[in-house]
Amino acid sequence: QKEVEQDPGPLSVPEGAIVSLNCTYSNSAFQYFMWYRQYSRKGPELLMYTYSSGNKEDGRFTAQVDKSSKYISLFIRDSQPSDSATYLCAMDSNYQLIWGAGTKLIIKP
Amino acid sequence: NAGVTQTPKFRVLKTGQSMTLLCAQDMNHEYMYWYRQDPGMGLRLIHYSVGEGTTAKGEVPDGYNVSRLKKQNFLLGLESAAPSQTSVYFCASSYSITGDNYGYTFGSGTRLTVV
Repeated sequence: QKEVEQDPGPLSVPEGAIVSLNCTYSNSAFQYFMWYRQYSRKGPELLMYTYSSGNKEDGRFTAQVDKSSKYISLFIRDSQPSDSATYLCAMDSNYQLIWGAGTKLIIKP
Repeated sequence: NAGVTQTPKFRVLKTGQSMTLLCAQDMNHEYMYWYRQDPGMGLRLIHYSVGEGTTAKGEVPDGYNVSRLKKQNFLLGLESAAPSQTSVYFCASSYSITGDNYGYTFGSGTRLTVV
């Protein structure tokens, strides 16, 4: 069993929809939770960074951490075609980040 | 523009050949990393460095070697390439292991095919 599980998708939704992306994890020691966005043929870039439990909002994006359920989510409101990308979750583990495999998101115009 | 630069962007190798992937960052980051990304596998850490002159093994280090002789450069070497090393390789750098609010800065990747 992987430490971090993420549905690879693809997830296809119409423009303007609310998108929910999720990761589950098994290591209760994780404290830092991140979401990265990766466009095709590019390197990942940081989207959201959260410490411990709770919500964090940045424009159309909201990151949510539920440590009791070992579950994190990224919500995208008013989704745009430019949001089409692969979204990777990542969590800290002492000396390195542990990455999910990524969910491919497609926003249809 | 500040960032991480990887060279080359593409390369085709024959089995048994060797090559070096170059990574340079101009952000004065202490931490640097080499990842490989394969379909369905996500990012897997090959080697990393916490400062000039230091390197350490990650999750999948076999078949690779690294060196960090200068703070801004991190080199990844393949001594004898195998088809299993066909992948996209990403270099990244950061201020801290978790990246904090600045995150990891990634290069644009090197697409390597071993035939």
